[in-house]
Amino acid sequence: NAGVIQTPRHKVTGKGQEATLWCEPISGHSAVFWYRQTIVQGLEFLTYFRNQAPIDDSGMPKERFSAQMPNQSHSTLKIQSTQPQDSAVYLCASSPRNTEVFFGKGTRLTVV
Amino acid sequence: AQSVTQPDARVTVSEGASLQLRCKYSYFGTPYLFWYVQYPRQGLQLLLKYYPGDPVVQGVNGFEAEFSKSNSSFHLRKASVHWSDWAVYFCAVSMWSEGADRLTFGKGTQLIIQP
Repeated sequence: NAGVIQTPRHKVTGKGQEATLWCEPISGHSAVFWYRQTIVQGLEFLTYFRNQAPIDDSGMPKERFSAQMPNQSHSTLKIQSTQPQDSAVYLCASSPRNTEVFFGKGTRLTVV
Repeated sequence: AQSVTQPDARVTVSEGASLQLRCKYSYFGTPYLFWYVQYPRQGLQLLLKYYPGDPVVQGVNGFEAEFSKSNSSFHLRKASVHWSDWAVYFCAVSMWSEGADRLTFGKGTQLIIQP
């Protein structure tokens, strides 16, 4: 069990460019979550999927951010027209129903 | 809405000393509570979890936590800290009792170990 795999671990984008972050959840886990971590805001919930269906995206900025889960083996978080304030560590996590949530090591996004 | 407060941004303890990290929660329902640890450049790892029942729960590496409904608290304790405990600790509450899955985290407490 390799755990939750996130790629890339580090990404540097220029302001205005698009960034796509990838997550491979643990096999058999039905829920996939995305969180954003910054020094100022801490850990913020963005969105989650259950059995590939979007359930709650209440934490997603309404513009420029989107998440998808095209199959049970991966999810993507896409940020269009990146801005410096998008710089953060983006954490993906997966979970069976109502039990421990397992986190990946995160993708550190830096927008320059 | 649910919330978690960790009042101490940073705690410094001497190696071998006891530790308490504080966590207060606000949740209108039955809380499921967690402590996670984050080592440098790593993701979050679960230390322990509280599901309604015994208020004292044991976790990995000698950590334990005590749930108090009257104080709305879930403090983390360890009898004797080791240098390897240097990390950031996050308290979290789930919304499972409302049928939702996501966790709400506190801002975290940085634990610093003095030799």
